[in-house]
Amino acid sequence: DAKTTQPPSMDCAEGRAANLPCNHSTISGNEYVYWYRQIHSQGPQYIIHGLKNNETNEMASLIITEDRKSSTLILPHATLRDTAVYYCIVPHGSFQKLVFGTGTRLLVSP
Amino acid sequence: DVKVTQSSRYLVKRTGEKVFLECVQDMDHENMFWYRQDPGLGLRLIYFSYDVKMKEKGDIPEGYSVSREKKERFSLILESASTNQTSMYLCASNTGLRGNQPQHFGDGTRLSIL
Repeated sequence: DAKTTQPPSMDCAEGRAANLPCNHSTISGNEYVYWYRQIHSQGPQYIIHGLKNNETNEMASLIITEDRKSSTLILPHATLRDTAVYYCIVPHGSFQKLVFGTGTRLLVSP
Repeated sequence: DVKVTQSSRYLVKRTGEKVFLECVQDMDHENMFWYRQDPGLGLRLIYFSYDVKMKEKGDIPEGYSVSREKKERFSLILESASTNQTSMYLCASNTGLRGNQPQHFGDGTRLSIL
């Protein structure tokens, strides 16, 4: 099962890009990387996922390295409402259960 | 947008009570999940259902049961509540028709057992 490693915390100025890194060096060839975030007292919110190509949606961009051992979530113009804990996850098992680690606590400041 | 609705945001019950947590999704998803989230322990899977009346145990099913009588509804039951079941309970769903689809979560039920 692929384990992920993220920095415990990051700061970002409002309006700037937030780049959140994740290491998943033991990922298998057919395993996807998912990103979720959780704002205090709310349920986790799905952001984006990918296999090997870079992905973009209305919320964020996901850059996956060619060897797939790491990825970066990019919030292009961070707002105060992006302050949250961000989780990088590689689901495993037949149920594709999600296992959240400690994540990265992103603080966006004015 | 996917909508997963949990019946209560906050719930307080007493030890020994039978507790029902309800979850409804509006996206016709085949798969539904119940997790609990505790500080320092992260997210843990309690039960999973991949179809009506079908269920699979997750990592921590002891003390819990589930019911899926209709596709859109997945209920978690605490047979005899205990204080160690005080936690945040999260319901999620995703489609089983295509692989690798994200799970979408409700806002959670913060359950306190006194």
